Amino acid sequence: AQRVTQPEKLLSVFKGAPVELKCNYSYSGSPELFWYVQYSRQRLQLLLRHISRESIKGFTADLNKGETSFHLKKPFAQEEDSAMYYCALKSPYSSASKIIFGSGTRLSIRP
Amino acid sequence: DTGVSQNPRHKITKRGQNVTFRCDPISEHNRLYWYRQTLGQGPEFLTYFQNEAQLEKSRLLSDRFSAERPKGSFSTLEIQRTEQGDSAMYLCASSPDRARSYEQYFGPGTRLTVT
Repeated sequence: AQRVTQPEKLLSVFKGAPVELKCNYSYSGSPELFWYVQYSRQRLQLLLRHISRESIKGFTADLNKGETSFHLKKPFAQEEDSAMYYCALKSPYSSASKIIFGSGTRLSIRP
Repeated sequence: DTGVSQNPRHKITKRGQNVTFRCDPISEHNRLYWYRQTLGQGPEFLTYFQNEAQLEKSRLLSDRFSAERPKGSFSTLEIQRTEQGDSAMYLCASSPDRARSYEQYFGPGTRLTVT
């Protein structure tokens, strides 16, 4: 079964400290992995996808197929990074393109 | 176009009543999705439309739930005989063509409370 696990419900770090939000997935094949973010009082929005291998707002995420992980990292946290982060996967073979979300991690950046 | 819109934003209803939610996607998007999100969980897929055709439904979508997208534009989600377990945030999302279907644009959601 396809599943996304985010083991931390809350992660609190100081401004300027490194951030790593953990994500593990269960999927027999090569899924597409994403991180979505929801800032306070805003809508859920796409942050980045593994295929593009880009850095968005200083965040990067590397797909590790051996460990079935897709952790989100940022070297120096900023207060505006405080938000709810959801790891998600999509089957590349699904015509529906439905996205399976993890339960989310709330990132809180302390000044 | 200000993005995906959903109405109402909040709905309180008594158990056993029927409720209907509306979603207006981004105008050029032909794909529309409904998700349900309960407290402490991520969004869970309910159903998906490509234009007016409903192509996939989750087993979460019981017989009391029905969704339509009659002209391939806005969509409605109806819940009949609501139960307290239906209390959740109902999210709508839309996406452009298949090549960019991963990029789903979410609405603000409709929060349903069943008393």
